[in-house]
Amino acid sequence: DADVTQTPRNRITKTGKRIMLECSQTKGHDRMYWYRQDPGLGLRLIYYSFDVKDINKGEISDGYSVSRQAQAKFSLSLESAIPNQTALYFCATSDSTGTGIQPQHFGDGTRLSIL
Amino acid sequence: LAKTTQPISMDSYEGQEVNITCSHNNIATNDYITWYQQFPSQGPRFIIQGYKTKVTNEVASLFIPADRKSSTLSLPRVSLSDTAVYYCLVTYSGGYQKVTFGTGTKLQVIP
Repeated sequence: DADVTQTPRNRITKTGKRIMLECSQTKGHDRMYWYRQDPGLGLRLIYYSFDVKDINKGEISDGYSVSRQAQAKFSLSLESAIPNQTALYFCATSDSTGTGIQPQHFGDGTRLSIL
Repeated sequence: LAKTTQPISMDSYEGQEVNITCSHNNIATNDYITWYQQFPSQGPRFIIQGYKTKVTNEVASLFIPADRKSSTLSLPRVSLSDTAVYYCLVTYSGGYQKVTFGTGTKLQVIP
């Protein structure tokens, strides 16, 4: 979705470095998410945020932290990167209003390689 | 969360209709069924969602039987550009609406 922008798109770094992945959205959605995807596997949820003051751990939050700087911005940090955090990272947004389930809208991902 | 089971992969020729079935035996009353499509190096994209019976949009149809223990995504007259991974999700409609992506079905469209 062009309205969900992830930066950088690719990053190669070394073990032990601190890394920040950024996500910004122009959809006006209140909910934002970070996922990682490993080769041949589905997406796994790292963290999610319902609004600026709400941060929640997902199923694989160890080794990661997040910051919701504004409704439109949600960043993911790896405090001390390790090789098994090499993966494709996706940010997503959704809208809490409306009836039923609101679909998630994904960015194009950040490919992160940790040497 | 209800667990979903779908085929790992499928092949189809261009122009054919493709049906991908997903089983979700433990689906709960407040759960919806949602399908996403993912192309290589892109994020998943919402295709269609339903609760029961049949839902149709410009991209696909979703068939859900009365017991809701399975669902079938139907792609009419596929083209090469439909080659992608298709994920079936069961999502609780209350509270957080957590979604769980399985490994999906890799559809390969053959010329």
